[in-house]
Amino acid sequence: DQQVKQNSPSLSVQEGRISILNCDYTNSMFDYFLWYKKYPAEGPTFLISISSIKDKNEDGRFTVFLNKSAKHLSLHIVPSQPGDSAVYFCAASELNSGNTPLVFGKGTRLSVIA
Amino acid sequence: KAGVTQTPRYLIKTRGQQVTLSCSPISGHRSVSWYQQTPGQGLQFLFEYFSETQRNKGNFPGRFSGRQFSNSRSEMNVSTLELGDSALYLCASSLVRQETQYFGPGTRLLVL
Repeated sequence: DQQVKQNSPSLSVQEGRISILNCDYTNSMFDYFLWYKKYPAEGPTFLISISSIKDKNEDGRFTVFLNKSAKHLSLHIVPSQPGDSAVYFCAASELNSGNTPLVFGKGTRLSVIA
Repeated sequence: KAGVTQTPRYLIKTRGQQVTLSCSPISGHRSVSWYQQTPGQGLQFLFEYFSETQRNKGNFPGRFSGRQFSNSRSEMNVSTLELGDSALYLCASSLVRQETQYFGPGTRLLVL
């Protein structure tokens, strides 16, 4: 049973436009969400996180939106740059419930075309 | 501050052998988690250690084990290797709880 789902395996966007990556979850106990970016042959790099008490968090070109009622979060990258081309993973945890691990989606490969 | 380091970066083993992977967390981080990444399954949680104790464990067979030392460094061991164990093994560290985790570059294991 996949608790975190990224339904789009890939996404292509033109340079300068907005990239929107989506993530759905099924576990209503999740209260902390993160996005990681991964280049080939490297470990995932932390991008941005959001707690369930917020519905938006922004860091430079990256904004994460959380819709708890829909159990959906999204990552917006504006403007997209060729260097953003990577695999993006959504992750979630029950942080306030105690010691539980991150649960990852299977990733979305973003290609930013110059 | 130095990031998470993992050694070795690449490893080739044959079926039936055992392997030990090492992870040094970011200085001051006390929680170390291990993940397996395969093309079909994505990142799957193996286990987490905190203060030399296993705090969480994923759904992997007993052939997968780990430990943590007093300096927070961690090792992961896989015994009786199978072809399906070929994967990228990632280590991640965090301060105390499994809040924001920072990943190392991974160890790519190939089992022949």
